[in-house]
This record gives sequence, structure tokens and C-alpha cells, in this order.
Amino acid sequence: GENVEQHPSTLSVQEGDSAVIKCTYSDSASNYFPWYKQELGKRPQLIIDIRSNVGEKKDQRIAVTLNKTAKHFSLHITETQPEDSAVYFCAASRGIGNTGNQFYFGTGTSLTVIP
Amino acid sequence: KAGVTQTPRYLIKTRGQQVTLSCSPISGHRSVSWYQQTPGQGLQFLFEYFSETQRNKGNFPGRFSGRQFSNSRSEMNVSTLELGDSALYLCASSLEQGSGNTIYFGEGSWLTVV
Repeated sequence: GENVEQHPSTLSVQEGDSAVIKCTYSDSASNYFPWYKQELGKRPQLIIDIRSNVGEKKDQRIAVTLNKTAKHFSLHITETQPEDSAVYFCAASRGIGNTGNQFYFGTGTSLTVIP
Repeated sequence: KAGVTQTPRYLIKTRGQQVTLSCSPISGHRSVSWYQQTPGQGLQFLFEYFSETQRNKGNFPGRFSGRQFSNSRSEMNVSTLELGDSALYLCASSLEQGSGNTIYFGEGSWLTVV
């Protein structure tokens, strides 16, 4: 099955700096890669996603890049703010026919933005 | 639209007991999946249902089971609870089945087994 690895497990940055979280996946058939943000005691919330036919996607201060050849994708947060502090999860998904909608998650990155 | 709703939010059970958790998906969503979240293992896929049929199952023992009703609501059951079953159980729904369909999580059910 798919294996998603995520690094680093913890990340501390100064407010205003950039943060980068990287994930690798093993299944070349994976074709959808969302990122979720989970604040303490809350549900994981989708912040950005990318599909395998796209190399980069940006939404304000957040961007995701995908390298299908190397099987890795990254989350970039620019101009970080204290409210960006949370745990971030990457995920990979593939579906063939009616095999369903199973996601494989990375182990999470705890981001702390220091004011 | 209301989000994914899970009940109960918190519960404490004793080893050996069984528990049933409930999930109401976003209106119109037909795919419901369940995940177990623990500090050590992260988010682990339990199973997914679509149109009352289990389409995928993760690597969990048979004590973990689920079902989906005709209105897309889903329940999961854990029998013969063990201490290691203590976790946050997250339900997620999506509009359709298949890859590339965003899943939206509920707030989860915190299960503590003592």
C-alpha cells in the first residue's frame, strides 16, 4: 500500500519567516494530495490541495508544489503569523474505478510561529 | 451547510465493553470514511462506506466494524475494547467516491478506555 512520510515532525519559525513542510509518497498511482491543518482540540481542516496534473498551486500565503517524478510534495507558508501555529498533515489518495476514497496521511508537523 | 457531525464527542469506557460512534455527513455527501488518530500513529484509515457498502478497509482487527444507512449516516462499532483503542475517532465525508474527492472531517469522538 501507499506510504507517506512527512518531515520535519516539529518546526519553529519567527513570525514573518517562511515555513516549508515536505512529504514523500511511494505509490505512483496516487493522484490527489491535500494538506490539512489541525489546531489543538479541533478537526483537521483542508487548507490547500493539488492534483497530479498540476505542479504548483498557490492560495494567498500558502502554496503547494508537486514533483511526480520524485514522488514528493511540499507545503510553503510565507509571512507566517502566530495563528498559523498548528499541526499540519499531508495526505495522498488514489482511486481506480470503484475502489473508493482512501487517504494515507503523513505523521504530522507541529508548527510553532514565535511572535 | 452543516458540517460533519459526530456523536458522542467524549466518552469513557471500560476494557471489554463495546462502543458505537455515530456520524452524520454533510448534506448530499454519500461517501463516509473513518479514521483513528493517536499521538503515536497519526491518522489511520479504518474503513470507507459509499451507498451503504463498505468499499475499503484498513488494517484494523475485526473488532472494528461499521455500517452506513440509506440516508448516508454512518456508525462504527468497537467491541471488546482494549486500552490501546483510546483515541480520537474522526469521521470524514465527501461528495463522491473515488480519488480526488476532498474529504471533510467532523470534530471527532474522543474515546478513553480505562
